[in-house]
Amino acid sequence: SYELTQPPSVSVSPGQTARITCSGDALPKKYTYWYQQKSGQAPVLVIYEDSERPSGIPERFSGSSSGTMATLTISGAQVEDEADYYCYSTDNSGDRSYVFGPGTRVTVL
Amino acid sequence: QVQLVQSGAEVKRPGASVKVSCQASGYTFTGYYIHWVRQAPGHGLEWMGWINPKSGDTKYAQKFQGRVTMTLDTSISTTYMELSSLRSDDMAVYFCARLDIWGHGTMVIVFS
Repeated sequence: SYELTQPPSVSVSPGQTARITCSGDALPKKYTYWYQQKSGQAPVLVIYEDSERPSGIPERFSGSSSGTMATLTISGAQVEDEADYYCYSTDNSGDRSYVFGPGTRVTVL
Repeated sequence: QVQLVQSGAEVKRPGASVKVSCQASGYTFTGYYIHWVRQAPGHGLEWMGWINPKSGDTKYAQKFQGRVTMTLDTSISTTYMELSSLRSDDMAVYFCARLDIWGHGTMVIVFS
């Protein structure tokens, strides 16, 4: 079955840039979505279709995709950005099955 | 405003079934697929499947084939997810999502 790969954790100091990667064989042809999940809460969409930012999401969140890797960048990370981040995408089979990456814990301290 | 409201927590015995509802409001119900996602305690997000409210078409993750059924009641803009033959490892929070909007989650406890 199709899998997405993420690093388990990323740690940055406040004001630094955090980059979270997501690897998958189908990513050159399929969009990536990124979700932020804080403890005990439902996930929140922070990036859709590789690089689009929903309204209400701070500009410090950006996304990009190149080849088999998508990247979520938090420029000038804030303490409130501490959360788990998940990438989400589909495979190339055409049957529209989706999969989440395993998640990356971002620590800002 | 756009929201998805889910049914309340459930406690079930192993082997039983659970049916979780997800009622949409604030948008055209038939315009967006609804995905179901679960999260076991201390674990990541797991995609279970989707349903197209316009056609009723469904797609289930291979892991849940034969145990999960997603249905609709368009008259009340509601989607249902039923999971059968519950096991202890099905204990999780179950979310419905429109990709950009998520329900608050429904805790399902499997307790013998």
